[in-house]
Amino acid sequence: GAVVSQHPSRVICKSGTSVKIECRSLDFQATTMFWYRQFPKQSLMLMATSNEGSKATYEQGVEKDKFLINHASLTLSTLTVTSAHPEDSSFYICSASGGAGETQYFGPGTRLLVL
Amino acid sequence: GNSVTQMEGPVTLSEEAFLTINCTYTATGYPSLFWYVQYPGEGLQLLLKATKADDKGSNKGFEATYRKETTSFHLEKGSVQVSDSAVYFCALRKDSGNTPLVFGKGTRLSVIA
Repeated sequence: GAVVSQHPSRVICKSGTSVKIECRSLDFQATTMFWYRQFPKQSLMLMATSNEGSKATYEQGVEKDKFLINHASLTLSTLTVTSAHPEDSSFYICSASGGAGETQYFGPGTRLLVL
Repeated sequence: GNSVTQMEGPVTLSEEAFLTINCTYTATGYPSLFWYVQYPGEGLQLLLKATKADDKGSNKGFEATYRKETTSFHLEKGSVQVSDSAVYFCALRKDSGNTPLVFGKGTRLSVIA
């Protein structure tokens, strides 16, 4: 199946710093990428949907100025957690889709720990 | 709105036992239905899917049938293995456009030898 990578897989940062997470589709063009957040023993909560070349659509309650999403190409989307705080510590997962009705492929996730 | 409800875990079974994880959904129209599996420390992997009523998805011995009349998509496996220990997520997606998945809360399965 298609492969989606995320980098880094794990990051620890100090409170107040910004962290960038990359999501890449390795063998297909992803017209749409989704960013999810997963708390321990919880389900995935959709944060935002990003289409290549346009602004991301954020879910209600997600601060767009805090979670900056850029989908500059058909193979790369980035999520930047700005001025991170301990409550932002979570498992962030991206998924990528080649188009309407296409299967979504998930990245392996990035575990963020903010001290 | 669209939602997915799946049975609470954790579920603990002995090896070779029969597995059922219940999943029901609420949605307008005819969504596609999915089961994803998350092994410890890893991301989600698509396990199986069904796109219309009465379809049966199957993979690695797991099966689920899209039941429109009961709005259900229960996951079953006849004989589980220790390697099946993971968290299983039921999900739906409306296929009108490139829409995100809506997930259930996940069910943790532990299989003991």
